[in-house]
Amino acid sequence: QKEVEQNSGPLSVPEGAIASLNCTYSDRGSQSFFWYRQYSGKSPELIMFIYSNGDKEDGRFTAQLNKASQYVSLLIRDSQPSDSATYLCAVSYSGGYQKVTFGTGTKLQVIP
Amino acid sequence: DTAVSQTPKYLVTQMGNDKSIKCEQNLGHDTMYWYKQDSKKFLKIMFSYNNKELIINETVPNRFSPKSPDKAHLNLHINSLELGDSAVYFCASRSGTEAFFGQGTRLTVV
Repeated sequence: QKEVEQNSGPLSVPEGAIASLNCTYSDRGSQSFFWYRQYSGKSPELIMFIYSNGDKEDGRFTAQLNKASQYVSLLIRDSQPSDSATYLCAVSYSGGYQKVTFGTGTKLQVIP
Repeated sequence: DTAVSQTPKYLVTQMGNDKSIKCEQNLGHDTMYWYKQDSKKFLKIMFSYNNKELIINETVPNRFSPKSPDKAHLNLHINSLELGDSAVYFCASRSGTEAFFGQGTRLTVV
């Protein structure tokens, strides 16, 4: 059974701190990894994607991928109250039309 | 213009009824999905179509029947609604990297 796992949280961090969100996946054939942000009552929106081992930075966001450990993380620097949301990790498996499987999400609360 | 639009946004109905949710995308994408998000925020794939052809059909009761009249539309029909069907249903379309989601349809079965 292919799975994507996340700690459901809530993860509480003070404003200005670094928030670290983690995700593990079970299928070694996974090729693409995504982080979506979902505000309460809204639809998910893509904030980062990563294909290769290592780090990928975009503004305050850094995605980290370690395929050997089957682990992907998202770091949010200088966390803002507006970052408070649920963060969904998603994995696209190899072959076919790339079914995208989501984790259960981690709720982040940034405390002013 | 809304990229992926779903209607209705809210749907309240009684057990045993049949209902449909419509989805349209104007992005020119070939692939469209239906996802179900439960109260714990778990987003589970139900179906995927590529160019009107069903390519992913997860373990979903056959009361759920998707229909894609063309590659810009993917509708979801649900027969004999049950309490456990209450959830938010998201339509999404994808080309390449990013999946774009509709605003969701909150279905409440009473």
